[in-house]
Amino acid sequence: NAGVTQTPKFRVLKTGQSMTLLCAQDMNHEYMYWYRQDPGMGLRLIHYSVGEGTTAKGEVPDGYNVSRLKKQNFLLGLESAAPSQTSVYFCASSLGLAGRETQYFGPGTRLLVL
Amino acid sequence: LAKTTQPISMDSYEGQEVNITCSHNNIATNDYITWYQQFPSQGPRFIIQGYKTKVTNEVASLFIPADRKSSTLSLPRVSLSDTAVYYCLVGGGYTGTASKLTFGTGTRLQVTL
Repeated sequence: NAGVTQTPKFRVLKTGQSMTLLCAQDMNHEYMYWYRQDPGMGLRLIHYSVGEGTTAKGEVPDGYNVSRLKKQNFLLGLESAAPSQTSVYFCASSLGLAGRETQYFGPGTRLLVL
Repeated sequence: LAKTTQPISMDSYEGQEVNITCSHNNIATNDYITWYQQFPSQGPRFIIQGYKTKVTNEVASLFIPADRKSSTLSLPRVSLSDTAVYYCLVGGGYTGTASKLTFGTGTRLQVTL
């Protein structure tokens, strides 16, 4: 039981490049989330999903897109990376809505945009 | 969004009790309060959750006053391994509305001998 895994662990991009971050969970959770973590700002919700085929915007969705084609996977895409997207990205999942239910976090992806 | 405020950092000696307070003045009626612990290069990990009054588990206690505008995480007899960043999370009160989730900016706890 791996819990929540994230791929890749670290990536360097040039401004304007695109990439996809992959999150996978093996706990059969309905809810999945993408957060970014920046110094002094805690975790901010980018997008989330309440089930397969559904996605919704969080607090800071601009510049990102997501897809949930399979229940166990949640993809975060950057179409045209910008230096402001340099951050640590965390994926999480929960059985029900976070806050009511415990979120389980992945180990994070460190992204540097030059 | 409910704004949450925490102290940036705290220091403690091993064996002491540590209390970390989170202010959340705009908490909604049905929102829950959850605390997470994060070690360097790891994702946050659940510690404790509550709605009102006091909750205790094997690692911590959570005190929530009647007005619910703040909450205090209490760590009894901390050890060096409790050195981490602690986050409070407010939300979960509206079915399907994860966009209301608000993490605090985190409190860095340093425990020394």
